Amino acid sequence: SQQGEEDPQALSIQEGENATMNCSYKTSINNLQWYRQNSGRGLVHLILIRSNEREKHSGRLRVTLDTSKKSSSLLITASRAADTASYFCATRNGSEKLVFGKGTKLTVNP
Amino acid sequence: EPEVTQTPSHQVTQMGQEVILRCVPISNHLYFYWYRQILGQKVEFLVSFYNNEISEKSEIFDDQFSVERPDGSNFTLKIRSTKLEDSAMYFCASRWTVDIDEQYFGPGTRLTVT
Repeated sequence: SQQGEEDPQALSIQEGENATMNCSYKTSINNLQWYRQNSGRGLVHLILIRSNEREKHSGRLRVTLDTSKKSSSLLITASRAADTASYFCATRNGSEKLVFGKGTKLTVNP
Repeated sequence: EPEVTQTPSHQVTQMGQEVILRCVPISNHLYFYWYRQILGQKVEFLVSFYNNEISEKSEIFDDQFSVERPDGSNFTLKIRSTKLEDSAMYFCASRWTVDIDEQYFGPGTRLTVT
């Protein structure tokens, strides 16, 4: 079964720095999505990248996808304290379900 | 901005009791989902629902679980006889159409089984 696995598991940076999180998966996918979860809260959809796309931008977010390496990265530029959260990648391969990774816990220190 | 809502935010129940978790998906979305997240673990898919029937379910979604869309707005998850290991955060999600892949999640219901 496919799995999204993020690394690092935890990342601590200073406000204004960039944060990069990586995700690897095992099988072919239709798309890969990134979600944010604030502590104890719901999942907020951030960005979706399709299997035929290599890079996508949304505001301060930049996502890349390398299907040959079965990996994706999420870059948050000019981070803010409010970006502190857990970030999950989730893959979809044609079935209805999203398969989530374990997440990266990002702490942005003011 | 439209959002998925869930009630209650926290439910405490005794082992063996039935619970119903409620969700109001985004209006005019057609696909509905339940996921759960045991504390400290991954978010896991439970079931998807489309056109008034289950379209896909996971191994977790056994006979103790059922889903229903009793009217045009609510989407419920019922656990018939709760077990301690059912304690988790349960998320409802909805998606608009077959061409739109983004799933929008509710804030979750924290279920505690004692």
